[in-house]
Amino acid sequence: AQSVTQLDSQVPVFEEAPVELRCNYSSSVSVYLFWYVQYPNQGLQLLLKYLSGSTLVKGINGFEAEFNKSQTSFHLRKPSVHISDTAEYFCAVSETARLGGFQKLVFGTGTRLLVSP
Amino acid sequence: EPEVTQTPSHQVTQMGQEVILRCVPISNHLYFYWYRQILGQKVEFLVSFYNNEISEKSEIFDDQFSVERPDGSNFTLKIRSTKLEDSAMYFCASWPGPISYRNLYGYTFGSGTRLTVV
Repeated sequence: AQSVTQLDSQVPVFEEAPVELRCNYSSSVSVYLFWYVQYPNQGLQLLLKYLSGSTLVKGINGFEAEFNKSQTSFHLRKPSVHISDTAEYFCAVSETARLGGFQKLVFGTGTRLLVSP
Repeated sequence: EPEVTQTPSHQVTQMGQEVILRCVPISNHLYFYWYRQILGQKVEFLVSFYNNEISEKSEIFDDQFSVERPDGSNFTLKIRSTKLEDSAMYFCASWPGPISYRNLYGYTFGSGTRLTVV
């Protein structure tokens, strides 16, 4: 079974500063990795995903993440945040397909990014 | 861009009542999912559905829950007798399925239905 750990429940940061949101996972098999963002009172929006290939993945809104297999990590980064990036960020993992379909997503507990002026 | 549509956006129901949450997945998707998020907690998997049958379900998905794809476009989650602890945001998701798409797509989530049981 997989599990996802997001150690930071809340990350306060000033506008235009860089940020890193940490995600570590545990799995006995190969996985796909995802970051989702949830703005207040909204649904889940995919920021980026790692399925295979280059370990540095670029997503929407200037975010990127790096898959590190040896450290079982998939940290999310942005070089300069905006007020509008204030949201809850969820890391998620899925086993690679057995029959060609995604397995269930297992989510971390989320990290609330608070960007202040 | 194609969307997963969920209705209603907010539903209030009395404890013990049956409730049906509706989802319209993206039209060429083959795998369907329900997740829930209790307020302030993480998103949890409930059930996955493929080829008109449940492919996996969590321990949360007990006999009070059922899913159906009644007409080839809608995907519904029914809770037979709601409890206070069923209050949560319920998310529907879909995925295209064929392995040739896996490098292009991830899940697509709907915007959710907030269920409040009073």
